Amino acid sequence: SQTIHQWPATLVQPVGSPLSLECTVEGTSNPNLYWYRQAAGRGLQLLFYSVGIGQISSEVPQNLSASRPQDRQFILSSKKLLLSDSGFYLCASPSDSGANVLTFGAGSRLTVL
Amino acid sequence: AQSVTQLDSQVPVFEEAPVELRCNYSSSVSVYLFWYVQYPNQGLQLLLKYLSGSTLVKGINGFEAEFNKSQTSFHLRKPSVHISDTAEYFCAVSGGGTSYGKLTFGQGTILTVHP
Repeated sequence: SQTIHQWPATLVQPVGSPLSLECTVEGTSNPNLYWYRQAAGRGLQLLFYSVGIGQISSEVPQNLSASRPQDRQFILSSKKLLLSDSGFYLCASPSDSGANVLTFGAGSRLTVL
Repeated sequence: AQSVTQLDSQVPVFEEAPVELRCNYSSSVSVYLFWYVQYPNQGLQLLLKYLSGSTLVKGINGFEAEFNKSQTSFHLRKPSVHISDTAEYFCAVSGGGTSYGKLTFGQGTILTVHP
């Protein structure tokens, strides 16, 4: 069955520092991967999606970037973090029950101080 | 463009009472609708989904939801809640087609079940 690994689970970083969050997926044949962010007191917002290696689409302008170096790997990065980058970052992949249904990883909680 | 409105940010109920979490959506195309649950510091778990067919859908943990196209609603219900149902619930919509996987979420409803 499908498994989504995210790390680190928790991260505290100072403003201006770089960021790298990693997501790897196992047990799925669907190549699409997604990064969502949940900011405090807000719903989830789609940040990036990827349909394959090296193919990234950004949904909203922001201080973050994403990369897909391998088929099963999706990375979220920033060169200089802002306070507003704090939040809960979730990686997702289409589930076995249909492409319209997403399975989410356990998330990475980022606090920028 | 799509949007989702969850009408209640917090819903407190007593154990074994019924509960309804309200969700309205707007979309210019046919939609797929979802309810996800998030327990503290965890990812999202799918409760139920409406893709097509019967407008009454049943999910895990005794939850069900009814798709009402005329009222553009997808309210979540459970006839008798348990303490373990305390969590945050998110309603989401997808336009399908080339936008599949791109979900638009509501702001979330925190359900607190009291003993």
